[in-house]
Amino acid sequence: QKEVEQNSGPLSVPEGAIASLNCTYSDRGSQSFFWYRQYSGKSPELIMFIYSNGDKEDGRFTAQLNKASQYVSLLIRDSQPSDSATYLCAVYYNNDMRFGAGTRLTVKP
Amino acid sequence: GAVVSQHPSRVICKSGTSVKIECRSLDFQATTMFWYRQFPKQSLMLMATSNEGSKATYEQGVEKDKFLINHASLTLSTLTVTSAHPEDSSFYICSAMVNYGYTFGSGTRLTVV
Repeated sequence: QKEVEQNSGPLSVPEGAIASLNCTYSDRGSQSFFWYRQYSGKSPELIMFIYSNGDKEDGRFTAQLNKASQYVSLLIRDSQPSDSATYLCAVYYNNDMRFGAGTRLTVKP
Repeated sequence: GAVVSQHPSRVICKSGTSVKIECRSLDFQATTMFWYRQFPKQSLMLMATSNEGSKATYEQGVEKDKFLINHASLTLSTLTVTSAHPEDSSFYICSAMVNYGYTFGSGTRLTVV
């Protein structure tokens, strides 16, 4: 079983819609959870991190964490074409950061 | 926020030559840096973890003699691809741990011809 799993996509949503990106992880003791955005040919950039169960909002982005279900998600409201990128979920556990394979999101005008 | 500066951004080299990639932490000290490789449309693959003042830790399947890592100071880690081959062509990215997660260098696109 992969440690961090994401649907590879591609996920396509129309402009203005909500994009929902999902991630599951295997280590129950995982401590911190991160979402990175990676544009083609560029390195990843941090969007959000979350430590506690529940929701965390930052502008158009909301991260949701459910430790009991070992599930973390990222919602992007009012999606824009500039949000088109690959989104990487990362999980930190025991001094080790593990990345999912990423979900490719396309926002169509 | 914390910045990792990575150079060069692009390099083209001939087969058999060596290429050095540098990563510097600009406004913080990085005792540990991580080196990743990413092939087109694939995920990040951790190659090795470099530790200041000690030997790097390599992931399984990564040749330590081919990918030389040096972390001589708290702000500089280097990756040298030795005797490069076309199959080493890839996107190499370094990162460092900061208090809000990992921060990444801008990446180096290596093309071996």
